[in-house]
Amino acid sequence: AQSVTQLGSHVSVSEGALVLLRCNYSSSVPPYLFWYVQYPNQGLQLLLKYTTGATLVKGINGFEAEFKKSETSFHLTKPSAHMSDAAEYFCAVSGTAYGNNRLAFGKGNQVVVIP
Amino acid sequence: NAGVMQNPRHLVRRRGQEARLRCSPMKGHSHVYWYRQLPEEGLKFMVYLQKENIIDESGMPKERFSAEFPKEGPSILRIQQVVRGDSAAYFCASSPLGTGEGEQYFGPGTRLTVT
Repeated sequence: AQSVTQLGSHVSVSEGALVLLRCNYSSSVPPYLFWYVQYPNQGLQLLLKYTTGATLVKGINGFEAEFKKSETSFHLTKPSAHMSDAAEYFCAVSGTAYGNNRLAFGKGNQVVVIP
Repeated sequence: NAGVMQNPRHLVRRRGQEARLRCSPMKGHSHVYWYRQLPEEGLKFMVYLQKENIIDESGMPKERFSAEFPKEGPSILRIQQVVRGDSAAYFCASSPLGTGEGEQYFGPGTRLTVT
């Protein structure tokens, strides 16, 4: 089955340091790619998405992600972590290899920001 | 424009009872998706509906679970004879498009606890 891999369920980062969350997908056909953020007891909010065009995508709250077809990756970065970035982050894909009309999610990264 | 609304936010049911979860999509959205989030796991697709039609229910358990999206009113996810393993957060999402590249907008979720 096609899958989405996010390594490291818990990620600790110091305030002001680089945030890097990795996402890899398994299909041979590039999917549509999304990063969502979930704050405690809330729904998911879209950070950014890649469908076509420029492979470096900028999102909200200073986040960006780069689609690399050769590496089947869509890693999420933010140059300088802020305390408000503490949340859970999910990579998701959709497209013909994943059932087209549904999102397939990775298991998520719980980000802790250390003052 | 109000976001996706779900109610109740928290629901407690005893084993064997029925649970009804409601979802009102964003205005103008005719595509509704239900996902389930179990502890320590990402979100798993359950069902995709358009008005009065179930388009894809491949993620729904075969027994006890059903979903509908009537012409008037909210979408309903119904779980009959709940068991402890049904305890989870259930999220509804809506989109204006039924294509894989379209963003899905998530509600705050219903947290079901089965005692």
